Amino acid sequence: GAVVSQHPSWVICKSGTSVKIECRSLDFQATTMFWYRQFPKQSLMLMATSNEGSKATYEQGVEKDKFLINHASLTLSTLTVTSAHPEDSSFYICSARDFRDRAYGYTFGSGTRLTVV
Amino acid sequence: DAKTTQPNSMESNEEEPVHLPCNHSTISGTDYIHWYRQLPSQGPEYVIHGLTSNVNNRMASLAIAEDRKSSTLILHRATLRDAAVYYCVGGSQGNLIFGKGTKLSVKP
Repeated sequence: GAVVSQHPSWVICKSGTSVKIECRSLDFQATTMFWYRQFPKQSLMLMATSNEGSKATYEQGVEKDKFLINHASLTLSTLTVTSAHPEDSSFYICSARDFRDRAYGYTFGSGTRLTVV
Repeated sequence: DAKTTQPNSMESNEEEPVHLPCNHSTISGTDYIHWYRQLPSQGPEYVIHGLTSNVNNRMASLAIAEDRKSSTLILHRATLRDAAVYYCVGGSQGNLIFGKGTKLSVKP
């Protein structure tokens, strides 16, 4: 199946700073990628849909100015958490799909554990 | 949105089959039914997906009810490595909406 690489796997930052998380599709192009957030003991929550060459689509309740998404190439989407606060601490996960292989579903990155102190 | 309902937890014995149920009565006619599983502090792993017909792959089988309002993920012989949270997810455009999932425990 396809591989989605996410970096970093964990990050600790100070309150008020910004953090960038990268999501790369390896060996395939992804015009669309998805960003999820997962709090401890909870399920994944879709935050936004990242579209190559155009603006991201955010789910209701997700602040677009706080969670900046850039999808500048067919293999890379980035999520920047701006002015991070402790309540932004969470597990962030991206996903994409290689549509050349219809027998396979969506591939998720390994996730980024963000801790804001 | 294809809202899904699954039991919170299930237990299985090693090397026995496991049937994980999922209700998705609001699924649209074009939404695929996906199954993913997740280990702690890892991203979800794709297991299987289908639309109407039953599906088999090297990991599992997916049995979809004729009315598509429910489905069952079948692990033919559970191993300790199959212990995870299993999510039944509906969607067709990638904006998968995850429910709470079923935590599967496998006893040796």
